[in-house]
Amino acid sequence: FMLTQPPSVSESPGKTVTMSCTRSSGSIATNYVHWYQQRPGSSPATVIYEDNQRPSGVPDRFSGSIDSSSNSASLTISGLKTEDEGDYYCQSYDSSNQRMVFGGGTKLTVL
Amino acid sequence: EVQLLESGGGVVPPGGSLRLSCGASGFTFGSYAMGWVRQAPGKGLEWVSSISGSGSDTYYADSVKGRFTMSKDISKNTLYLQLNSVRADDTALYYCAKDGGNFWTDWRFDSWGQGTLVTVPS
Repeated sequence: FMLTQPPSVSESPGKTVTMSCTRSSGSIATNYVHWYQQRPGSSPATVIYEDNQRPSGVPDRFSGSIDSSSNSASLTISGLKTEDEGDYYCQSYDSSNQRMVFGGGTKLTVL
Repeated sequence: EVQLLESGGGVVPPGGSLRLSCGASGFTFGSYAMGWVRQAPGKGLEWVSSISGSGSDTYYADSVKGRFTMSKDISKNTLYLQLNSVRADDTALYYCAKDGGNFWTDWRFDSWGQGTLVTVPS
C-alpha cells in the first residue's frame, strides 16, 4: 500500500490545521500510523505515534486520529506557532511485506 | 539520553561501494531494532532497511535489495550499512534510527541521528 499526503498546507498563527494521510489499500486501522515532524535542516522527530499517542515533550496542541470511512489518518495542530513550520510525514508498517511505508510529506507554512 | 552518530558518507562513483556506520549510546543496543532511512535532496523520507535487535533478521526496500547490506556489531554498539553498486539515485542523506515500538508487530522510530551524506555523481 501507499500513504498519500497533500504536498502543502498553510494557516495563520493561532489557528488550527489538519493534514491527512490516506492509505491506498487495506484498512487504515490494520497498522498503526505514526507522524514525524522535520523542521528545516533538522532530523525527523516523532510528534504522534500509534495513531494518537503523544511522546513526552510534545505539546497537547498536537493530536492524531484515524477515520475508517475515508481510510485515512489525520494530524491536527491547534494554536499554531511559527515554530511548527516544517515537513510532516506519516508512516506505517506494511506487515504483509515487512517494510516501512512513509507518506510523501506535507509542508506546513505558518504565515 | 539516546545518541546516534552516523559517519562514512562521501562522494562515490557509480558502481562503487561505501560503508556507513552509526555509533549508538544511551540504550541497550542489542535489545532494539534499528533502521536506515534516506532523504534525497529536496525530497521526502524513504525507508531503506531495518535489522532486529539481535541482528539475525534484516529487511530491505526493493530499491536497495541485493545491493545494500545492513548489519550490527553489538559489542561495538555500532550499526552498519554497506552500499554496493551505487547509482545516482542513491544520492541522499542517510539517517540511522532506533526502533521505538514492538518490532515484531509494528515498526516506528523514536530517535534519529543527524545523517551522513552520500553523493553519487551522475
